[in-house]
Amino acid sequence: DGGITQSPKYLFRKEGQNVTLSCEQNLNHDAMYWYRQDPGQGLRLIYYSQIVNDFQKGDIAEGYSVSREKKESFPLTVTSAQKNPTAFYLCASRGQQINEQFFGPGTRLTVL
Amino acid sequence: AQTVTQSQPEMSVQEAETVTLSCTYDTSESDYYLFWYKQPPSRQMILVIRQEAYKQQNATENRFSVNFQKAAKSFSLKISDSQLGDAAMYFCAYRSVLGGATNKLIFGTGTLLAVQP
Repeated sequence: DGGITQSPKYLFRKEGQNVTLSCEQNLNHDAMYWYRQDPGQGLRLIYYSQIVNDFQKGDIAEGYSVSREKKESFPLTVTSAQKNPTAFYLCASRGQQINEQFFGPGTRLTVL
Repeated sequence: AQTVTQSQPEMSVQEAETVTLSCTYDTSESDYYLFWYKQPPSRQMILVIRQEAYKQQNATENRFSVNFQKAAKSFSLKISDSQLGDAAMYFCAYRSVLGGATNKLIFGTGTLLAVQP
């Protein structure tokens, strides 16, 4: 089945450690996005990529990094520079001729 | 910059009744897309309905319909014959038709809908 997968579903990290969240899609979509969701704040854009080997900062990119080496994959690294990383992270993708974004199931990151 | 406002943090509806969720937005653009997404307890974001700003006709998807008032910058969601499975957080979202940096979804803060049996 076509779709977006994110792993792991739950992730725990100690302060000071970097951690990478996985996002894979087999929808052949060009654009991919990372959002952060906090209670009462909706979703905020971290990074996005329109094509392979290119990505742009979103509204809250500080403390995060991404790569887009393959069309199917858009991993997000939460670095130790991110001051408040505990949140729910959602990955999304969109095809060129499609107006809506399709979302993965999300990863809940907790910093201990 | 565009903003999306959902002024109802929580709503409640009886099963089989109708409920309307409110959304207003601010933009200087004349063409754009508006969306309602549903996020059930599983936290999977699911597209409910989409509206193109250039279309005057309100979008409808089965029991879900919108009231799109472009001049008032209002985009409300009506759920008819509410079912227990409709209980979820609902997000209103805006997207410019322009490409590049503005080609992102801007979300409201959400409305948590409870459905009472």
